[in-house]
Amino acid sequence: EVQLVESGGGLVQPGGSLRISCEASGFTFSSYWMSWVRQAPGKGLEWVANIRQDGNEKYYLDSVKGRFTISRDNSRNSLYLQMNSLRADDTAVYFCARDPDYSTSDYWGQGTLVTVSS
Amino acid sequence: QSVLTQPPSTSGTPGQRVTISCSGGRSNIGANYVYWYQQFPGTAPKLLIYKNNQRPSGVPDRFSGSTSGTSASLAISGLRSEDEADYYCAAWDDRLYSRLFGGGTKVTVL
Repeated sequence: EVQLVESGGGLVQPGGSLRISCEASGFTFSSYWMSWVRQAPGKGLEWVANIRQDGNEKYYLDSVKGRFTISRDNSRNSLYLQMNSLRADDTAVYFCARDPDYSTSDYWGQGTLVTVSS
Repeated sequence: QSVLTQPPSTSGTPGQRVTISCSGGRSNIGANYVYWYQQFPGTAPKLLIYKNNQRPSGVPDRFSGSTSGTSASLAISGLRSEDEADYYCAAWDDRLYSRLFGGGTKVTVL
């Protein structure tokens, strides 16, 4: 059974940093692209970033370029999102997702809430 | 504002057929596959349709997807109360090098 478990969310002040993680199980992690997708309270889905199997190809939403960094550790079956210079509009539930290819996700975690507020 | 445009809401009575539209452009729907997701409040999205019109294992055949040019549609036939949820279309955009989601459509079963 595919399982994706996010962790590391919490309350952070504007301008602060946070690193969220996703631990994968139930599939061969190193064979899949992986994504982060977020959902602000009461709003729709917004793709944030994704990363190729070997970590050497990454894509980002324009509004997070230069502030967020996606990475992975295939030896630990883990995906990460380092978020710097956080803004109030980054407040959202952040979902980790498995990608059969760069264009889509087929399994999602339950999400971790990131709140940016003073 | 989403680049993929969906109606905010639609409704139907049990047994009816409802359709949800998703309008995009030549660099996204016009060039790449469309995917549809179903989401219940407080839960993770679930893949409903992939590669325009394919259903993952376990998705009822009441759900169907189609595309035409720069638009896509999701149809739900034989509407049931458990279909009340939010539905999102998605596609990769070749110009933005980003994955786009529609704004979502809330389906209400009357």
